[in-house]
Amino acid sequence: NAGVMQNPRHLVRRRGQEARLRCSPMKGHSHVYWYRQLPEEGLKFMVYLQKENIIDESGMPKERFSAEFPKEGPSILRIQQVVRGDSAAYFCASSPALAHYNEQFFGPGTRLTVL
Amino acid sequence: AQTVTQSQPEMSVQEAETVTLSCTYDTSESDYYLFWYKQPPSRQMILVIRQEAYKQQNATENRFSVNFQKAAKSFSLKISDSQLGDAAMYFCAYRRLSGGSNYKLTFGKGTLLTVNP
Repeated sequence: NAGVMQNPRHLVRRRGQEARLRCSPMKGHSHVYWYRQLPEEGLKFMVYLQKENIIDESGMPKERFSAEFPKEGPSILRIQQVVRGDSAAYFCASSPALAHYNEQFFGPGTRLTVL
Repeated sequence: AQTVTQSQPEMSVQEAETVTLSCTYDTSESDYYLFWYKQPPSRQMILVIRQEAYKQQNATENRFSVNFQKAAKSFSLKISDSQLGDAAMYFCAYRRLSGGSNYKLTFGKGTLLTVNP
């Protein structure tokens, strides 16, 4: 059973460009979570999605950031008009359901560098 | 809001020795989970150990064990017989057991562990 897949692993964008980060959850997992890790910091929750639904986006910046988890295909975290402060590692995690005992399994992360 | 504090930005240990990483947290909840995650240079987040707050017994996983002091809101990680492969950033994390937002993991800033041969 393959783990959580994220691609690309590294992404370089110039200021003003768009960044698209993809996450394929583990097989059988229908819940996806995105976290951001700024330099020298721990991970911070951004958004929680189920198939075709955003459940909680309270950790997402109000502008330029959006996330989706379509019925088919991976979850996408989209950052429009990137700025240098968006440079970070973005981690996706998945779980089979929202049972309190369920572990979140993390992907390897996407490191975004904004020039 | 819950907060997690790791007061040791860096720690080092000699191979085969024992090291303890500290973590304190703040919450008004009575039931919750606490975790230690390992992040090696590959940056993959790996769950090391988990503790349920309603369990008095400290969790252990092979060479890894915790000292959970609920009243003091302290959750330290002990690594015995340290190995070179234990070198990594270690994050302490908190998650509510029930109620709203019980899916959110709240992380500390991490402790960078170096293992010296």
